[in-house]
Amino acid sequence: SQQGEEDPQALSIQEGENATMNCSYKTSINNLQWYRQNSGRGLVHLILIRSNEREKHSGRLRVTLDTSKKSSSLLITASRAADTASYFCATDEGAQKLVFGQGTRLTINP
Amino acid sequence: DAGVIQSPRHEVTEMGQEVTLRCKPISGHDYLFWYRQTMMRGLELLIYFNNNVPIDDSGMPEDRFSAKMPNASFSTLKIQPSEPRDSAVYFCASSPTLTLGETQYFGPGTRLLVL
Repeated sequence: SQQGEEDPQALSIQEGENATMNCSYKTSINNLQWYRQNSGRGLVHLILIRSNEREKHSGRLRVTLDTSKKSSSLLITASRAADTASYFCATDEGAQKLVFGQGTRLTINP
Repeated sequence: DAGVIQSPRHEVTEMGQEVTLRCKPISGHDYLFWYRQTMMRGLELLIYFNNNVPIDDSGMPEDRFSAKMPNASFSTLKIQPSEPRDSAVYFCASSPTLTLGETQYFGPGTRLLVL
């Protein structure tokens, strides 16, 4: 089953600009996570936000969570070429396992 | 810690052959997950273990797939016989003892091509 769905599927911006990716999900969650995947590599955990949190920051990353709309957004500020990757949101299904979305492919142009 | 270790990193085999993928989780992690990633289906959970015991194998596509975890530091995913549609990147991930749904740590993946 696919819980999270990212939007847009692909995003291309200039270096230095901000990148915003969105994730929508269907059922109640305990937490939502964002992961990054560089080409040909495994997924790397970026940030986890719990259902009772509305916003969380980590360096240049800002995540928001709106449980009433069942949606989350990931903002990367002052983007760099090294941020080029695919970004996935993942939600827990009854705290039993993670379900990943299809991902947003982000390209940062120099 | 070296992180999650997977081998081989690449595997090319012919249809009908047996394929065995290996994973060493992060020491002390009680949960181990096997995923498959394809362009068409994205990242799919195949099976996960808790303390070496398979908990949920509902994602295993068919009987050709089997997974074992004989001890806390080693797991295998076997495909027998392999088919071209099994071509994908297979990831192993582990997670520490906590409520499930916490952070998972992924290995680099095994890229499988079945001809």
